[in-house]
Amino acid sequence: DAGVIQSPRHEVTEMGQEVTLRCKPISGHDYLFWYRQTMMRGLELLIYFNNNVPIDDSGMPEDRFSAKMPNASFSTLKIQPSEPRDSAVYFCASSSGSGANVLTFGAGSRLTVL
Amino acid sequence: KNEVEQSPQNLTAQEGEFITINCSYSVGISALHWLQQHPGGGIVSLFMLSSGKKKHGRLIATINIQEKHSSLHITASHPRDSAVYICAVSEDSGYALNFGKGTSLLVTP
Repeated sequence: DAGVIQSPRHEVTEMGQEVTLRCKPISGHDYLFWYRQTMMRGLELLIYFNNNVPIDDSGMPEDRFSAKMPNASFSTLKIQPSEPRDSAVYFCASSSGSGANVLTFGAGSRLTVL
Repeated sequence: KNEVEQSPQNLTAQEGEFITINCSYSVGISALHWLQQHPGGGIVSLFMLSSGKKKHGRLIATINIQEKHSSLHITASHPRDSAVYICAVSEDSGYALNFGKGTSLLVTP
């Protein structure tokens, strides 16, 4: 398996623009997580899905953020409109089974909003 | 929310030294994870444990559930071990992870 695949790896955009980050989890993994990492706050969970259903989105900062998982092999995280404070590295991770299991992280998408 | 504290925040060691990184948390957990983040940014899961001790090569992770404490040990450290080590916990009530701020380790030749 190629691991968790994220795109784009880097995105530079201007304030107010829409940003879409994409993630392909490992085949067979039924949990998918979106995390954000900043220098100030470290890693934070934004939302996670189980079998394509959003389970906990309490970490999503505000209504400008939305995430979808239309099928088991694809998820998106959208920011509309983007703001400079959204600049961060966004990680997608997936795991298999219920409870706490080992996570496999994607390489991350580094977002810069000017 | 589980408060996850790591110490030290930064650590410099000479090659060959034995290294210990500590993690404490405030609420009962179902599992604790140790993650490694290299300067390039990628995150790798090193260990997931809910009791006792695990060993992988030169890395050893231990956890004391009663004391709500875990340690990550690196024996015979090497410059390639230089990375940020992150502790994360998943609570009994859910699956989401709470992360520590990380320990930045630099191993010099």
